[in-house]
Order: sequence, then C-alpha cells, then structure tokens
Amino acid sequence: NAGVTQTPKFQVLKTGQSMTLQCAQDMNHEYMSWYRQDPGMGLRLIHYSVGAGITDQGEVPNGYNVSRSTTEDFPLRLLSAAPSQTSVYFCASSNQGARGNTIYFGEGSWLTVV
Amino acid sequence: SQQGEEDPQALSIQEGENATMNCSYKTSINNLQWYRQNSGRGLVHLILIRSNEREKHSGRLRVTLDTSKKSSSLLITASRAADTASYFCATEWRGGGNKLTFGTGTQLKVEL
Repeated sequence: NAGVTQTPKFQVLKTGQSMTLQCAQDMNHEYMSWYRQDPGMGLRLIHYSVGAGITDQGEVPNGYNVSRSTTEDFPLRLLSAAPSQTSVYFCASSNQGARGNTIYFGEGSWLTVV
Repeated sequence: SQQGEEDPQALSIQEGENATMNCSYKTSINNLQWYRQNSGRGLVHLILIRSNEREKHSGRLRVTLDTSKKSSSLLITASRAADTASYFCATEWRGGGNKLTFGTGTQLKVEL
C-alpha cells in the first residue's frame, strides 16, 4: 500500500513549456485534489475530483488542466508554464472529501519555471 | 479568499515545554483539521474536530474549537525535538463542497 504517489519529485521547466505532474493512489479513494504551496500562503486548491470522470475547479485553477479517467490517477497538466507557477505541488486523496475523513497527501513535487 | 490565519507565524520553545498555536477562520465550518508538515515533506493529518465539538484529545495533542469566535487552538504538551515542523489548520467550510481551506501555518522549533 503505497498511499499517494507523485512524480516527478523535482522539475525545472522553461517558460512556455508544458508538462504533466502525475498522481496515483492505491486506496480506492473517491476524492482527489491538487494543491500548490507557496511561501507564506499555506496550501491553495487548484482542481479536485469527486470520482472518475468528474472534475471541478478550486481556488487557483488558471493555467492548469486535470482529468480523472480512472479512480487511481489524477494528473495535473501545466499548459504553458509561467514563472508564477513555480511552487510545490501536492496531490491528496480521501474518501468522501474533507467531510470528517482523513486526507492523505503525497510527498510533493517541486517545480521551478525559469 | 476563505483562507484562515495562524498565530504565531513562528514559535521556538525548549524541549519539554508546551506549544500552543492558534487558527482563525472566516466562515461557518463543518469541521476543522490540523496537519503537520516536516521540512520538504507532505502534510500529515493530526486531528479533526467537528463543528459541534469543543475539545478533542489525541495523545499529546489537544485541540479546542470556538465557533462563536471562529477560532481553534492546538496544544502540544511536553514537546520533543521531533515535533519541530510546520503546523497548518484546515477548514471544511459549509457550502465548500468537501474542499479544505488551509491556514498559513505556524513554524514550530523545539530546541534541546
């Protein structure tokens, strides 16, 4: 049982490049989400999914796309990277969302856009 | 923004002392959760308190919730060097569709 697995751990991108951050969970959780963490800002929700085939926007969705073709996977795509997207990205999963359930986080992906 | 605030931003104490950190939020909530983050790592869930609860304990952790003041506190008793980490509160706010809003965090340093 690996929990929530994110790849890559570190990535450097040039402005305008695109890439996908991968997230997989093996706990059969319905809810998955992506957050970004910036210094002094806490975590902010980018996109989330309440089940396969269903996604929705969070607080800061611009510049990111997601899809949920399977229960296990929830990739985050940066369409055209910008320096403002330099951040640490965390994927999380849980049953029934935050409603009284523990949320499990991945170890994070450090992204630098130059 | 629904984001909460935590106080203090940084806290340095000696091993064996108690550490108290506070969280304030803006809207009505379903529950409030506390997480710990070690440097360079993901967040680890510590404790959840529901809106109809006022106090909850888990080992050396004690969490209180005052919904009238929209605030919560996390007390770590008999702190250890291994407690050194950042601590975040997160709220599931009513109407938020099961989403969490995180505070800005308190950096705790426990010195030997």
